[in-house]
Amino acid sequence: GAGVSQSPSNKVTEKGKDVELRCDPISGHTALYWYRQSLGQGLEFLIYFQGNSAPDKSGLPSDRFSAERTGGSVSTLTIQRTQQEDSAVYLCASSSYGQGSTEAFFGQGTRLTVV
Amino acid sequence: AQRVTQPEKLLSVFKGAPVELKCNYSYSGSPELFWYVQYSRQRLQLLLRHISRESIKGFTADLNKGETSFHLKKPFAQEEDSAMYYCALRSTGANSKLTFGKGITLSVRP
Repeated sequence: GAGVSQSPSNKVTEKGKDVELRCDPISGHTALYWYRQSLGQGLEFLIYFQGNSAPDKSGLPSDRFSAERTGGSVSTLTIQRTQQEDSAVYLCASSSYGQGSTEAFFGQGTRLTVV
Repeated sequence: AQRVTQPEKLLSVFKGAPVELKCNYSYSGSPELFWYVQYSRQRLQLLLRHISRESIKGFTADLNKGETSFHLKKPFAQEEDSAMYYCALRSTGANSKLTFGKGITLSVRP
């Protein structure tokens, strides 16, 4: 597709259930980011993938959160045993990598509501 | 470690008033700085980047390495400027992560 695509757009889940959020980056982009956006908290970094390098997981808030990126393309963010405080909009972004400034393109986000 | 600080959460001005959204950063190398904007019900998008030294929608931002700042300015705010603004820093090198500030909501009143 022409841009970063995320699915689902909205997800309502019961506390304690696991959820998977998907991100399709722009073709050819080697860098992929996951962020969490919640009211009053701004944009919280979760995880960063860059090519074949080990991902930077320093932003994951707990071991209930994990992410993978298969074949250097699609990424899945998994939240296990969801809690109400996990409710937020989860944003994915991708960018190319190389010399010079490169823009990060964002998806429309997945709004997660844990009830 | 890299860090971006946006000290204010909300700025409310009247139409036609000047706007300055503050951004300070912490990074040991030579960073790339950006401003991103999110209008209501739209996805986050790039507004401008420091290396382009361009004016977008009347906004400018100058990188001040001495003060480690990258403040966003516009001389005359418009109602359509109302949005959430994020300052971002991208490190240079092999692992160039993009780090965002907490963001600021700009509200321009008629």
